[in-house]
Amino acid sequence: ETGVTQSPTHLIKTRGQQVTLRCSSQSGHNTVSWYQQALGQGPQFIFQYYREEENGRGNFPPRFSGLQFPNYSSELNVNALELDDSALYLCASSSTGVTEAFFGQGTRLTVV
Amino acid sequence: GENVEQHPSTLSVQEGDSAVIKCTYSDSASNYFPWYKQELGKGPQLIIDIRSNVGEKKDQRIAVTLNKTAKHFSLHITETQPEDSAVYFCAAKEDDKIIFGKGTRLHILP
Repeated sequence: ETGVTQSPTHLIKTRGQQVTLRCSSQSGHNTVSWYQQALGQGPQFIFQYYREEENGRGNFPPRFSGLQFPNYSSELNVNALELDDSALYLCASSSTGVTEAFFGQGTRLTVV
Repeated sequence: GENVEQHPSTLSVQEGDSAVIKCTYSDSASNYFPWYKQELGKGPQLIIDIRSNVGEKKDQRIAVTLNKTAKHFSLHITETQPEDSAVYFCAAKEDDKIIFGKGTRLHILP
């Protein structure tokens, strides 16, 4: 059983640019959630995708958007990057009707 | 919405001693409470969880207790070892999302 994998592991972007982060869900999981973890804080829910549609969203502006593909992998896109977007972005996968969620290793995004 | 408070923010214990981390939650409708361990440079790892129909759950050296009336839950680690050093997060599940506490940095002293 493969785990949740994210790419890239590290990324540096300039303020105002756009970024795309990728996540492959754990085998057998059909739901993907994205979280933002600022330094020294707990992860904050961004949104969740199920059956290729957004299925719940946290308190994040529309410049945070996502996609889910037929193979359940997912992308997180952030437009017009701000310095405060610097954080560890985590992807978690789970299955419908199952409460456990498993996280990838994260993508460390630095905005300069 | 749900709010999860976690204490202490930092905890140092002697190797072999026990560690206890406490959390409270606000939404009485929450019914699933996972605990995650996060090591440096890694994502959170699910180590144990508890559902609201259970008061206590144990897995080897770790145990969780849940008091639904008081809306608090705790993580207990016995016979601590150096590899237990990490940041621990308690959490509660609300609808589609997991609401995390701010974390406890656990140091195991030699």
